[in-house]
Amino acid sequence: ETGVTQSPTHLIKTRGQQVTLRCSSQSGHNTVSWYQQALGQGPQFIFQYYREEENGRGNFPPRFSGLQFPNYSSELNVNALELDDSALYLCASSAPGTGINQETQYFGPGTRLLVL
Amino acid sequence: ILNVEQSPQSLHVQEGDSTNFTCSFPSSNFYALHWYRWETAKSPEALFVMTLNGDEKKKGRISATLNTKEGYSYLYIKGSQPEDSATYLCAPIGSARQLTFGSGTQLTVLP
Repeated sequence: ETGVTQSPTHLIKTRGQQVTLRCSSQSGHNTVSWYQQALGQGPQFIFQYYREEENGRGNFPPRFSGLQFPNYSSELNVNALELDDSALYLCASSAPGTGINQETQYFGPGTRLLVL
Repeated sequence: ILNVEQSPQSLHVQEGDSTNFTCSFPSSNFYALHWYRWETAKSPEALFVMTLNGDEKKKGRISATLNTKEGYSYLYIKGSQPEDSATYLCAPIGSARQLTFGSGTQLTVLP
């Protein structure tokens, strides 16, 4: 069973640029969630995708957008990067379930983004 | 947005000690609570998903209890080992139906 993978592992961008982070879900999982973890805080929910549709969104501006593909891999896109976007970005996949996140989420190792 | 508090923020214990930490959350509109263990340079690892008041889950030397009426969950580690050193995160699910993580309890077990 292949676990959740993310790419790249590290990334440095400058303010105003755009970035795309990628996530490959665990086999058989059709739900993916993205989280931002700033230093000293717990992960904050950005959004979730279920069968290629957005299925819930946290308190993040529209410049954070996502995609889920038919093979259930996913992308997180951030436009007009700001210094505060520097963080660890985690994705997590989960199996089909009741739709209220009672299912275990399996996390990838994260992408560390630094915005200068 | 749920207000989730974890205490203590950090903890140092000796190998062999038992320890516990707390996760507090609003008791209204509760759906479930997740516990994760996150070792440095690794991915967060799921420990438990708890849904019912009075629930108690166990995985080896680690166990957790849940009180949804008063809005707290305890995580216990019996006979701590150095490999238990990690940050332990709780994430309740409320009416927004999304995980809201606390800041975690950072546990260091000294040999």
